[in-house]
Amino acid sequence: GENVEQHPSTLSVQEGDSAVIKCTYSDSASNYFPWYKQELGKGPQLIIDIRSNVGEKKDQRIAVTLNKTAKHFSLHITETQPEDSAVYFCAASMHYGQNFVFGPGTRLSVLP
Amino acid sequence: NAGVMQNPRHLVRRRGQEARLRCSPMKGHSHVYWYRQLPEEGLKFMVYLQKENIIDESGMPKERFSAEFPKEGPSILRIQQVVRGDSAAYFCASSPRQVAGGDEQYFGPGTRLTVT
Repeated sequence: GENVEQHPSTLSVQEGDSAVIKCTYSDSASNYFPWYKQELGKGPQLIIDIRSNVGEKKDQRIAVTLNKTAKHFSLHITETQPEDSAVYFCAASMHYGQNFVFGPGTRLSVLP
Repeated sequence: NAGVMQNPRHLVRRRGQEARLRCSPMKGHSHVYWYRQLPEEGLKFMVYLQKENIIDESGMPKERFSAEFPKEGPSILRIQQVVRGDSAAYFCASSPRQVAGGDEQYFGPGTRLTVT
């Protein structure tokens, strides 16, 4: 089955700097890759996603890149703010209704 | 449009009791997923349901755990004879599952189960 790895497990950046979180997946059939932000005591919130027919997607300060050949995808957050501090999870799934396989998470701390 | 709703938010049970967790999907969504999250860990898939059907229960323990999504009412995850190892946060997600796209899953706030 699918296995998703995520690095780093913790990341501290200064406010205004960029943060990059990387994930790798094992099943080449996976073709949908969402990213979730989870704040303490809350449920995961979908922040951006990418499908396998796209190499890059951007939404304001957040971008995701996908390299299908290497089977890895990355989350990029620019101009970080303290409210970006949270745990971020990547996930992978095949099309149409397959459950998500999540990475173990990255705890991001943005220092003011 | 209300989001995914889960109740209770916190549930305390003694060993051997039953736990019932409820999930109401977003309006218009007919697909529900249950995930479990242990402290400091990622989410692990448990079960995927459509109305009146279990589509995939490969992540759910064979004993003591069951799930349903009736024609009317919320989806329910039921844990019988709870043990301390069942203590975790249980999240429900719903999806529109439309033919064109619709892979997105939207999560509820979770139920935090504590077994004493």
